[in-house]
Amino acid sequence: DVKVTQSSRYLVKRTGEKVFLECVQDMDHENMFWYRQDPGLGLRLIYFSYDVKMKEKGDIPEGYSVSREKKERFSLILESASTNQTSMYLCATQGPGTNEKLFFGSGTQLSVL
Amino acid sequence: LAKTTQPISMDSYEGQEVNITCSHNNIATNDYITWYQQFPSQGPRFIIQGYKTKVTNEVASLFIPADRKSSTLSLPRVSLSDTAVYYCLVGDRLGGTASKLTFGTGTRLQVTL
Repeated sequence: DVKVTQSSRYLVKRTGEKVFLECVQDMDHENMFWYRQDPGLGLRLIYFSYDVKMKEKGDIPEGYSVSREKKERFSLILESASTNQTSMYLCATQGPGTNEKLFFGSGTQLSVL
Repeated sequence: LAKTTQPISMDSYEGQEVNITCSHNNIATNDYITWYQQFPSQGPRFIIQGYKTKVTNEVASLFIPADRKSSTLSLPRVSLSDTAVYYCLVGDRLGGTASKLTFGTGTRLQVTL
């Protein structure tokens, strides 16, 4: 089975801090995604990456950046955390071909105080 | 953008068949339709995927009409453990090697005795 590991299950940060959320996958998948999930809003795509050092903006990229230096690792960065970035963050990977299913991590619940 | 629309919530009794419909009027020719299930505090997991007509697996069936502007996930004889949020996902191809995969708000299914 594909394993998608997110570094933290719960995280508490202060406004203005720089925050790194890490995601590691063990299946050599090309595509990786970051979503945030808020009550009543479903999953919203922040950024995705289809190769090392390649990235594309999703629907809500403002306030976020990403890094993909190695194929297995995709990092989400909050340059200056704000309270409206308090959310559940989910990482996903996708295998070869654009119709392959997504595999999700367990999520990181981030609270910005 | 292949936006999806689903009912916000549905209720069912155990043992009944449940049908959840998703509208995706702007689906592209090459897009597949994929459904995911999400339990609390977990990432979504793949249920079923289809392109047209009908697909069935050990968990569910997926019905897609000829115009592909909607799809219906059918869960036979639901149990309490099927209580979850169900998401319909349609790819949004950008012409590259990855699709911008956008989720809708999901349907919260509540199964009771």
